[in-house]
Amino acid sequence: NAGVMQNPRHLVRRRGQEARLRCSPMKGHSHVYWYRQLPEEGLKFMVYLQKENIIDESGMPKERFSAEFPKEGPSILRIQQVVRGDSAAYFCASSPLSSGSYNEQFFGPGTRLTVL
Amino acid sequence: SQKIEQNSEALNIQEGKTATLTCNYTNYSPAYLQWYRQDPGRGPVFLLLIRENEKEKRKERLKVTFDTTLKQSLFHITASQPADSATYLCALDPNTGFQKLVFGTGTRLLVSP
Repeated sequence: NAGVMQNPRHLVRRRGQEARLRCSPMKGHSHVYWYRQLPEEGLKFMVYLQKENIIDESGMPKERFSAEFPKEGPSILRIQQVVRGDSAAYFCASSPLSSGSYNEQFFGPGTRLTVL
Repeated sequence: SQKIEQNSEALNIQEGKTATLTCNYTNYSPAYLQWYRQDPGRGPVFLLLIRENEKEKRKERLKVTFDTTLKQSLFHITASQPADSATYLCALDPNTGFQKLVFGTGTRLLVSP
């Protein structure tokens, strides 16, 4: 059973370009979370999605950032018109369908975004 | 304001000793708390989960305690090994019902032979 997959692992963009980060959750997992980790800072929650639904986007900047988890295919985190402050590691995590119990989250290896 | 704090200074210990890491939180009432390990350039890996009604949880050489009165969790690694060197993150669910996690900044553990 493959783990959470993210691609690309490294992404370099110039200011003003778009960054598109992909996440394939573990097989059988229907919950996807995106987190951002800035250098020397902790992981910060951005958005929580289930298939075709954004459940909680309270941690995501209102402008330039969007996320989706379509019925088919990976979850996508899109950053438009990137700025230097967007440089960070972006992690995706997935968890299985909740049965009322608390679940660990399985993290991918992350995408390291560098904005020049 | 709400905070989850871990000691930002690295913890250096000798192989074979017990490492104890601290996680304190303020203005949260988490139903559970989790501990993760993160190696450089990699994603966090889940280690242990402890619920609010559990005082202690063990897994092999790992032990976690959860004191909701002190608002603190302690993470212990007994008989530490150089391979245990990593950053350890505590995380809690702020009881939103969505299981989104709030993470501490992590404590780096260095175990020397």
